[in-house]
Amino acid sequence: GEDVEQSLFLSVREGDSSVINCTYTDSSSTYLYWYKQEPGAGLQLLTYIFSNMDMKQDQRLTVLLNKKDKHLSLRIADTQTGDSAIYFCAEKEGGSNYKLTFGKGTLLTVNP
Amino acid sequence: DAGITQSPRHKVTETGTPVTLRCHQTENHRYMYWYRQDPGHGLRLIHYSYGVKDTDKGEVSDGYSVSRSKTEDFLLTLESATSSQTSVYFCAISEQGGTDTQYFGPGTRLTVL
Repeated sequence: GEDVEQSLFLSVREGDSSVINCTYTDSSSTYLYWYKQEPGAGLQLLTYIFSNMDMKQDQRLTVLLNKKDKHLSLRIADTQTGDSAIYFCAEKEGGSNYKLTFGKGTLLTVNP
Repeated sequence: DAGITQSPRHKVTETGTPVTLRCHQTENHRYMYWYRQDPGHGLRLIHYSYGVKDTDKGEVSDGYSVSRSKTEDFLLTLESATSSQTSVYFCAISEQGGTDTQYFGPGTRLTVL
């Protein structure tokens, strides 16, 4: 089946940039997503990118997509303690109307 | 936030008892999903629904059943709970077309003793 891989942990200092990386295997993916999960809460959509785009910027968030290498990244500028959370990468499988495959999540810890 | 509620939010039960979790949406979205979240496994799809009375299995469906008699409600039933079903359960909804984004409920923490 399709697979989405992420590193499990990332630790940064407050004010630095954070970069969370993700690789996927489905070359026919149409949309890729980043979700954020705070402790005790559900997943909140942060942003998404369509597969024919290379980059998407939304305030402090920058998503880069390298479709050739099947690599997706999320950059958070000026990381704050409130950004501490688990971040999930997900892909929508090509040819599917509904199915998303999620990575295992990256725990971002922001140190003051 | 998408209008999704889950009930109960927390439940402790004993092995062998039946348990039903409820997901309720106010968005009139066609698709509904049940996931479980476990350390080291991320999110895994249990069952999903693509319309009233239309459901199908996900990757970890053994021991679970679902029902959807109304657009707004999707029930997940553990017929005879086991300790391996201790987990956090999330409901999600999506609408066909557009970005196919899934929106998640707040989760139910289930402990099976």
